[in-house]
Amino acid sequence: QKEVEQDPGPLSVPEGAIVSLNCTYSNSAFQYFMWYRQYSRKGPELLMYTYSSGNKEDGRFTAQVDKSSKYISLFIRDSQPSDSATYLCAMYSGRAQKLVFGQGTRLTINP
Amino acid sequence: DAGVIQSPRHEVTEMGQEVTLRCKPISGHDYLFWYRQTMMRGLELLIYFNNNVPIDDSGMPEDRFSAKMPNASFSTLKIQPSEPRDSAVYFCASRRARGGYGYTFGSGTRLTVV
Repeated sequence: QKEVEQDPGPLSVPEGAIVSLNCTYSNSAFQYFMWYRQYSRKGPELLMYTYSSGNKEDGRFTAQVDKSSKYISLFIRDSQPSDSATYLCAMYSGRAQKLVFGQGTRLTINP
Repeated sequence: DAGVIQSPRHEVTEMGQEVTLRCKPISGHDYLFWYRQTMMRGLELLIYFNNNVPIDDSGMPEDRFSAKMPNASFSTLKIQPSEPRDSAVYFCASRRARGGYGYTFGSGTRLTVV
């Protein structure tokens, strides 16, 4: 079993829709949770990060962490075609600096 | 801030040849990571350094892979001899030890071994 599970999709939604992306994990030691966005043939870029449980909002993006369920989510409101990319969840424990990634979900926003 | 710089961007080599990938981390970052990305396995951590010292190389697939960090501004990942199954995109990332939760990635090196 992988430490971090993420549905690879692909996911296709119309412009303006609310997008929900999710990951589950098995290692209860994970404390730092991130979402990266990766455009085709580019490196991953940090989108959101959250420490421990709770919500964090940045513009159209909201990250949620539920440590009791070992479940994290990323919501995108008013989705735009420019949001089309692969979204990767990632996390690490702090004691170990290894950032462990999910498989990534390929998202397409259709105009 | 020029970001994490990797070279070359693309590398095509024949099986059995030696391949060297290069990385310049962001100045002031204490950690450096080498990742490999494939469609089948996603992003996998190969090795990481803290203050130029290798900390965890458990992700290095086999002895054909080696990595060095001779100073704070340069690291190499070497594959010798290369095999077709090594074809992937190799990313370097760096981060600060204090207050630097985010890992900054380079643009990657796309390696094709034929």
